[in-house]
Amino acid sequence: GEDVEQSLFLSVREGDSSVINCTYTDSSSTYLYWYKQEPGAGLQLLTYIFSNMDMKQDQRLTVLLNKKDKHLSLRIADTQTGDSAIYFCAERGGQGGKLIFGQGTELSVKP
Amino acid sequence: DGGITQSPKYLFRKEGQNVTLSCEQNLNHDAMYWYRQDPGQGLRLIYYSQIVNDFQKGDIAEGYSVSREKKESFPLTVTSAQKNPTAFYLCASRRWMDGGNYGYTFGSGTRLTVV
Repeated sequence: GEDVEQSLFLSVREGDSSVINCTYTDSSSTYLYWYKQEPGAGLQLLTYIFSNMDMKQDQRLTVLLNKKDKHLSLRIADTQTGDSAIYFCAERGGQGGKLIFGQGTELSVKP
Repeated sequence: DGGITQSPKYLFRKEGQNVTLSCEQNLNHDAMYWYRQDPGQGLRLIYYSQIVNDFQKGDIAEGYSVSREKKESFPLTVTSAQKNPTAFYLCASRRWMDGGNYGYTFGSGTRLTVV
């Protein structure tokens, strides 16, 4: 079945890099996404990667995809206190174009 | 500006009552979705609709109902059969993008609390 797993918490110092990891099970997934959720708000798309890519960089964000291990990571360079939020990894499921989400990783950035 | 509007932002329900959460979009998106969010569990799909007058159950549809009479609107009713309805509910819509990707837009959510 389809399943996405993330660790629940990550704490970093301001200015350091953050790496949030995700594993998924559906090898037929075509697109994988990273979303950010601030407290009490909806989800904001950060970036996505197509399954035939290994890496995608967008300003401070770098996404790495290892299809063999079904592992996705999001690196945030020079992490700021404004990056504190919950980060969700998601894969596009087969039926109805639904998104299948991981549990979310709560990133805490300490000054 | 186009977007998705969820209302109300906070909703309180007494046990045994049905309540309806509103989701309206002016993006002209065909597909719409309802997700439930609980701490540490991510988002789980309740119902989705790909076209007007049609909808399908998601992974946790029991105790919920929806309708899709208009393209713009996809209300979710939490019935008294839902035993643990306290959660954060998110509505989303979907459009086609170049290259076969989908673009998803999320509302700002409704927090439902049973009192």
